[in-house]
Amino acid sequence: SQKIEQNSEALNIQEGKTATLTCNYTNYSPAYLQWYRQDPGRGPVFLLLIRENEKEKRKERLKVTFDTTLKQSLFHITASQPADSATYLCALDEATDSWGKLQFGAGTQVVVTP
Amino acid sequence: GAVVSQHPSRVICKSGTSVKIECRSLDFQATTMFWYRQFPKQSLMLMATSNEGSKATYEQGVEKDKFLINHASLTLSTLTVTSAHPEDSSFYICSASGGANYGYTFGSGTRLTVV
Repeated sequence: SQKIEQNSEALNIQEGKTATLTCNYTNYSPAYLQWYRQDPGRGPVFLLLIRENEKEKRKERLKVTFDTTLKQSLFHITASQPADSATYLCALDEATDSWGKLQFGAGTQVVVTP
Repeated sequence: GAVVSQHPSRVICKSGTSVKIECRSLDFQATTMFWYRQFPKQSLMLMATSNEGSKATYEQGVEKDKFLINHASLTLSTLTVTSAHPEDSSFYICSASGGANYGYTFGSGTRLTVV
């Protein structure tokens, strides 16, 4: 396993601005890196998946980048809305014989204020 | 899309009793399901991989005799916390894969409180 680091401090951002979250890992690059949203008392909800050979992925207002040299992924929420307030988790999927064994970061809480 | 239903959402039990948590894939078949545990302000930690028709695979440090997993069909996996103690109080979440490009679908979680 490896260490996955996400900023533990909450990110407070004004509505309409772009939120940028960071996920750093320490060892080998995973086959897939995924981002999830988790609301209090709920299970995570899948948002985006990016492969190790992809640099960037977009979905509506969300964008993910993956830099295997820096061992880092950035997650952007553009034109943020109060409804985007949640904790965002990054997860590494090595997709080897241990297919599906996700390793999660502790998550970064995002608070979007009107 | 793929839906995973988890029940119960909350359970309070007395120390020493057993609790069963169910995880169902509603609109797809899941030969493999995963069970996670999450303590407050911490990341999800994989406990075990549930395999339909065979024994579960447990992560290091997880007691297989305490956390019994049964995956008797392609749509149902159960986790039984046996002889629960207050330190077992946590948020338990199951998941299944909707395919390589679609991430994983998680259940809504079960908040277990052992008193």
